[in-house]
Amino acid sequence: TQLLEQSPQFLSIQEGENLTVYCNSSSVFSSLQWYRQEPGEGPVLLVTVVTGGEVKKLKRLTFQFGDARKDSSLHITAAQPGDTGLYLCAGEDGSSNTGKLIFGQGTTLQVKP
Amino acid sequence: SQTIHQWPATLVQPVGSPLSLECTVEGTSNPNLYWYRQAAGRGLQLLFYSVGIGQISSEVPQNLSASRPQDRQFILSSKKLLLSDSGFYLCAWGDRARANVLTFGAGSRLTVL
Repeated sequence: TQLLEQSPQFLSIQEGENLTVYCNSSSVFSSLQWYRQEPGEGPVLLVTVVTGGEVKKLKRLTFQFGDARKDSSLHITAAQPGDTGLYLCAGEDGSSNTGKLIFGQGTTLQVKP
Repeated sequence: SQTIHQWPATLVQPVGSPLSLECTVEGTSNPNLYWYRQAAGRGLQLLFYSVGIGQISSEVPQNLSASRPQDRQFILSSKKLLLSDSGFYLCAWGDRARANVLTFGAGSRLTVL
């Protein structure tokens, strides 16, 4: 069974600080995705990484896919209160072509002004 | 552009009553469709997915069922709700050409009393 472990589960920081969220697995994934979810809404896709070692940047967010495609990280520079939310990593279940995603348990980020 | 609608947004039901949550997608054809359940502030658990009309795969044994009567309609049902069915239910669709990218609805909050 493929599992994704996210850490930390909770993170409370001050505006302007940097942070990194990790997503780890013992399984290889063909791709990993990062979503952000606000309370009472559905998750929204931030990025998809598909190549081992790949780095993608989205403004102050930097996403990296591990060389072995078993892990990923999300780094936020100079966090702002608008970054507050639940961050979820997800990997495609490689046993089928139905697009089933396996989700990590999420990281709740609170950025205090 | 593609849109996904999910309703009702909030539902309070007594134990033993039936359930019907509906999800429709616009602007695409033959999508993969998914029902997820999410515990408060946590990751998503896949309940059902469908790759075509009348084709439903269940991921976990449970008190719920799903149906896909039309190409872009996905319904989550129960004949008799249990307290443990309370939760946040999310419908999502995936593009077959990009089977690893999901777009989520806004979610349905179900409280069983």
